[in-house]
Amino acid sequence: DIQMTQSPASVSASVGDRVTITCRASQSIRNWLAWYQQKPGKAPNLLIYVASSLHSGVPSRFSGSGSGTEFTLTISSLQPEDFATYFCQQTNSFPWTFGQGTRVDMK
Amino acid sequence: QVRLVQSGPEVKMPGASVKVSCKASGYTFTNYGMNWLRQAPGQGPEWVAWISGNTANTNYAQNVQGRVTVTTDTSTNTAYMELRGLRSDDTAVYYCARDKGVVPGTFDYWGQGTLVTVSS
Repeated sequence: DIQMTQSPASVSASVGDRVTITCRASQSIRNWLAWYQQKPGKAPNLLIYVASSLHSGVPSRFSGSGSGTEFTLTISSLQPEDFATYFCQQTNSFPWTFGQGTRVDMK
Repeated sequence: QVRLVQSGPEVKMPGASVKVSCKASGYTFTNYGMNWLRQAPGQGPEWVAWISGNTANTNYAQNVQGRVTVTTDTSTNTAYMELRGLRSDDTAVYYCARDKGVVPGTFDYWGQGTLVTVSS
């Protein structure tokens, strides 16, 4: 199985800050990577797919980059509604696997 | 609009079975695959199973293979996941999630989740 490792595990930030989350795959997954946002008690929401494509309705302050084994999710200017946990997920091969999550909370 | 509505919470004894349903609306059910995932408290999601929308082909995670079966009823646009031989570590919120069309394994719509608690 492909292992996904996210860093940091948590980040404290303020509204307006630029936030970057990193995700590493245990082997090359080309650009087959998705990012999700999850708030407590809710299902995850798709943000980014194929590493850098923004899902419909997702604000443009979210962006994704990377290929191979290293990927980043960037929030250009953190908004109050962005405090949540973020997960990366490889979509290269079964079984689909997720990172352990990065919690973004208020500084 | 696309909606996935799951059945309600379940409490089961160890060794029992559970069947969770996921009723889809707002799209052509047979055109998209459906996945089942679970999430234990404080953990990331874990993919469990996939079923195609039209051929009923399936794929299962190795750690539940032999205990899980996913099916669809195209007459009611409903997907089902049955998990047998329940253990305490099966306690989790179970989600159905639709494949994003031409990008398999990317989940663009999710159900609201069904809490399955396994406890004696």
